[in-house]
Amino acid sequence: QVQLVESGGGLDKPGGSLRLSCAASGFIVSEYYMTWIRQAPGKGLEEVAHINSGSSSPNYADSVKGRFTISRDNAKNSLNLQLNSLRAEDAAVYYCVRGNYRYSMHFFDYWGQGTLVTVSS
Amino acid sequence: DIQMTQSPSSLSASVGDTVTITCRASQTINSNVNWYQLKPGKAPKLLIYAAYILQSGVPSRFSGSGSGTDFTLTISSLQLEDFATYFCQQCYNMRYTFGQGTKLEIK
Repeated sequence: QVQLVESGGGLDKPGGSLRLSCAASGFIVSEYYMTWIRQAPGKGLEEVAHINSGSSSPNYADSVKGRFTISRDNAKNSLNLQLNSLRAEDAAVYYCVRGNYRYSMHFFDYWGQGTLVTVSS
Repeated sequence: DIQMTQSPSSLSASVGDTVTITCRASQTINSNVNWYQLKPGKAPKLLIYAAYILQSGVPSRFSGSGSGTDFTLTISSLQLEDFATYFCQQCYNMRYTFGQGTKLEIK
């Protein structure tokens, strides 16, 4: 069955870097829209970066553009998110999520359990 | 970006009650709304897509309605496992946005 398992979260200082990984099983990552969605403490959900199926270029929220990089590792069937120049407002639970389409509608049908990123000096 | 205004932000109810959560979009988005359930420490779950289509495996006590700018999620005959936080999301354009969430608590 479809599973997404995130890893790599933790504590780092402002200006620091972290790399999140998401191991996928039950489907092929490169055949789907894949995204990272975060939830800061007490806040709503924000899609920070996504990459569509095939060789599509990645897209980023304005809040992370130039600092975060999303990538796929097709050999490992995984999704990654490199977080650089961390800011306090990047602290959140980060979810690895699969996008899907049905009846021309797009939705997020599978989510990981999330990995916590804490940014503090 | 399309803003999704969700209300209420929190809601207290009892097992067996029926509750309704609403989302209003800042522009017309046809039926391009999805609803999700979040519980602490668990993977979020897709409940409804395209405003009213129940995702496979989701109990029929969950239902969605609306089109244009106004949407609702209704949970009938609340069960203990339904106490969670719910989010709407618009998928009208590629800059997907979410409502601020509704925390459903036990009264």
